[in-house]
Amino acid sequence: GEDVEQSLFLSVREGDSSVINCTYTDSSSTYLYWYKQEPGAGLQLLTYIFSNMDMKQDQRLTVLLNKKDKHLSLRIADTQTGDSAIYFCAESLKAAGNKLTFGGGTRVLVKP
Amino acid sequence: GAVVSQHPSWVICKSGTSVKIECRSLDFQATTMFWYRQFPKQSLMLMATSNEGSKATYEQGVEKDKFLINHASLTLSTLTVTSAHPEDSSFYICSAQSSGASYEQYFGPGTRLTVT
Repeated sequence: GEDVEQSLFLSVREGDSSVINCTYTDSSSTYLYWYKQEPGAGLQLLTYIFSNMDMKQDQRLTVLLNKKDKHLSLRIADTQTGDSAIYFCAESLKAAGNKLTFGGGTRVLVKP
Repeated sequence: GAVVSQHPSWVICKSGTSVKIECRSLDFQATTMFWYRQFPKQSLMLMATSNEGSKATYEQGVEKDKFLINHASLTLSTLTVTSAHPEDSSFYICSAQSSGASYEQYFGPGTRLTVT
């Protein structure tokens, strides 16, 4: 079955690195995603990684995928107050028409 | 690029009335659009998958006669909440999947529905 889990909350000081973790259960995931949601807004696609990759870096964002452990992480370097938001990881399954299954979201609070 | 809009952004309606929410992909074609519902401080729950020119596929537990979905063109899908009740109050978000890159899904800004 599909199940994606995330920790609920992360507090980090401005300028430090943030690491948000996610675990999933379906080994046939095709792509894994990270989305950002600010209060009252929709979801912003931050980055995604294909399931046969181990790492992807995009400016301040680094995604690590451990397929053996079904563990996905998002590292945000030099975290800024504007990074305060809820971060959702999600997996898609090609066999399921690329439907996304979301984790519960991690609320990140950046303190000045 | 890859902008998805929703209209309205918020709506208040009375019990028993119907509300239509539009989802548009502004700068790309989307053969598939998805409708989600999000309760406060919770994750997104997929309601249905909408394919252009065909009937929507609803997730288990979602009433298709209550949540009518129409995907009339490659850039527009609509969700109509019929005979709305206060428990239908929620944040409704659509996403559009690019025809050219099926692994990319872009989300609209959401519509907050309040039923009084």
